[in-house]
Amino acid sequence: EAQVTQNPRYLITVTGKKLTVTCSQNMNHEYMSWYRQDPGLGLRQIYYSMNVEVTDKGDVPEGYKVSRKEKRNFPLILESPSPNQTSLYFCASSLSQGGRGYEQYFGPGTRLTVT
Amino acid sequence: GQQVMQIPQYQHVQEGEDFTTYCNSSTTLSNIQWYKQRPGGHPVFLIQLVKSGEVKKQKRLTFQFGEAKKNSSLHITATQTTDVGTYFCARHGRGSNYKLTFGKGTLLTVNP
Repeated sequence: EAQVTQNPRYLITVTGKKLTVTCSQNMNHEYMSWYRQDPGLGLRQIYYSMNVEVTDKGDVPEGYKVSRKEKRNFPLILESPSPNQTSLYFCASSLSQGGRGYEQYFGPGTRLTVT
Repeated sequence: GQQVMQIPQYQHVQEGEDFTTYCNSSTTLSNIQWYKQRPGGHPVFLIQLVKSGEVKKQKRLTFQFGEAKKNSSLHITATQTTDVGTYFCARHGRGSNYKLTFGKGTLLTVNP
């Protein structure tokens, strides 16, 4: 089944404790991205990746890192989480051409709480 | 800039009434995508519009792209309780900008 998976689905952590949220897709998509969703603010793109070893900032990249060492995986790293990073996070992937013109497939989401 | 303004933010209707959400941009759009997110779920792609003045239909849903490619709308005829959710429009950046920017969404609730 074609899908985007994220782990963990729920995470409660403390300020400053490094964490990684994994994202994997099995559709051989080139374009992958991370979004955060907050009430009243909609979906905001954090980082995106056009292909392996190619990443770029979205609209809200501060406090986040990403890597794209393999085509199928695109982990989101919070080196020192802070409470303002409490949010619902979605990973998404789409076919080539930078995702432009192709539908995004979203993962199920990761609910992160930073205390 | 690359923002898209979406209105209204909320819409509550009686089942059977029609519903429309609008997406507006100050700059010309190369394309516009629409997504639906059910409560507790993840966004799901509905459609993409590319051509000026384009109109596409999916059963009770009608999508339009403005002639100037600066606005788009999603209209639902005779809403049903299964239409409940948040509807988002999204635009890609232009040129070498491959960001995808979403509107803030319209939350639709339907009273049975």
